[in-house]
Amino acid sequence: AQTVTQSQPEMSVQEAETVTLSCTYDTSENNYYLFWYKQPPSRQMILVIRQEAYKQQNATENRFSVNFQKAAKSFSLKISDSQLGDTAMYFCAFSNAGNMLTFGGGTRLMVKP
Amino acid sequence: DTEVTQTPKHLVMGMTNKKSLKCEQHMGHRAMYWYKQKAKKPPELMFVYSYEKLSINESVPSRFSPECPNSSLLNLHLHALQPEDSALYLCASSQEGRQGNSPLHFGNGTRLTVT
Repeated sequence: AQTVTQSQPEMSVQEAETVTLSCTYDTSENNYYLFWYKQPPSRQMILVIRQEAYKQQNATENRFSVNFQKAAKSFSLKISDSQLGDTAMYFCAFSNAGNMLTFGGGTRLMVKP
Repeated sequence: DTEVTQTPKHLVMGMTNKKSLKCEQHMGHRAMYWYKQKAKKPPELMFVYSYEKLSINESVPSRFSPECPNSSLLNLHLHALQPEDSALYLCASSQEGRQGNSPLHFGNGTRLTVT
């Protein structure tokens, strides 16, 4: 079975600064996908970024980027130029091709003005 | 705006009531999901429908009964619930049942309170 661990239950960052959320996972598979989902107070889970394990290049979506270290089984999310609207719960998630998502426990991020 | 619509947004029901949660998507997705989420916890998978057939039931109690009338609609029928069933119920869809290739699109959820 796969496990996903987010070691930071809560984090805070000043507006316009950069913050990194940690995620580690455990799997024996070689082909898999990793995700970061954001859940603001509006409750909707929103896909932030996705990484295919066979791709060495780190995924980037505007202010969001990942540091994917396959050997270390690490998948951290960097948010640059943090904005107040980034305040949310962030969930790291893992999926084998064909299998369901396994979520981490979440990190609550607060962006302070 | 969410492309997956859930109604109602909030629901309060007694333990003897029968109610239904509804979910709708028009993205042509062929897989639909129900998740249960407790406060400050990640979502927990309940059911998966793929091509309108139930493909996964994560040992959910029979007081929760899913229904997929067509490829765009997903219902969750509730009967004789317990207070511990109070939670946020999230609906999601994906192009197919393989979540690696087709990420989930979530609705805003129904906040359920059982009294």
